[in-house]
Amino acid sequence: DTGVSQDPRHKITKRGQNVTFRCDPISEHNRLYWYRQTLGQGPEFLTYFQNEAQLEKSRLLSDRFSAERPKGSFSTLEIQRTEQGDSAMYLCASSQIGDRASTEAFFGQGTRLTVV
Amino acid sequence: AQTVTQSQPEMSVQEAETVTLSCTYDTSENNYYLFWYKQPPSRQMILVIRQEAYKQQNATENRFSVNFQKAAKSFSLKISDSQLGDTAMYFCAFMTEYGNKLVFGAGTILRVKS
Repeated sequence: DTGVSQDPRHKITKRGQNVTFRCDPISEHNRLYWYRQTLGQGPEFLTYFQNEAQLEKSRLLSDRFSAERPKGSFSTLEIQRTEQGDSAMYLCASSQIGDRASTEAFFGQGTRLTVV
Repeated sequence: AQTVTQSQPEMSVQEAETVTLSCTYDTSENNYYLFWYKQPPSRQMILVIRQEAYKQQNATENRFSVNFQKAAKSFSLKISDSQLGDTAMYFCAFMTEYGNKLVFGAGTILRVKS
């Protein structure tokens, strides 16, 4: 399977715990995006990387959230001191940027986080 | 900031019939991209069709076509000969010319009935 993969698919955690999600993009893609999707809503942008550089972070990404892409390959998204409001689907996407904006983002199946 | 509005939370259509999903957006940009993404239940989101704002011709992909009205900032999706596999959540999305992120609408649930 050469698509975008995310791990785990589901995570249930107690409020106050830390969680970490992983995303493996399509191997030749240099851009990687994180989105959050709550029930019945469209995905909202959180952050994106070009190679290993984190180029933009949304105001949705509070200080409790941190994302890394250390070698420009896979990425991790960590949420510290989880709150019930963090319950959502976290989507990862990747694309290949060229001379013009790459217009197709490929999405993973997401990690569904439930904070109890 | 760009916004995308999908005013139809749910739609249904009989198999083999045609359905149109609506989308409007707001931007001050002149060049940009518009997309329709499909998210089947419990499956990953996939691109259905894309439109570049500088192209006047409406995009088509097999049974899927768009009606792009730049002045009206409208971007509707027409699905012809609807199939049961078209049942999904459909998202309209916007991206600037320099492509740093997608801005999504709230989505329209489409149910195709046999």
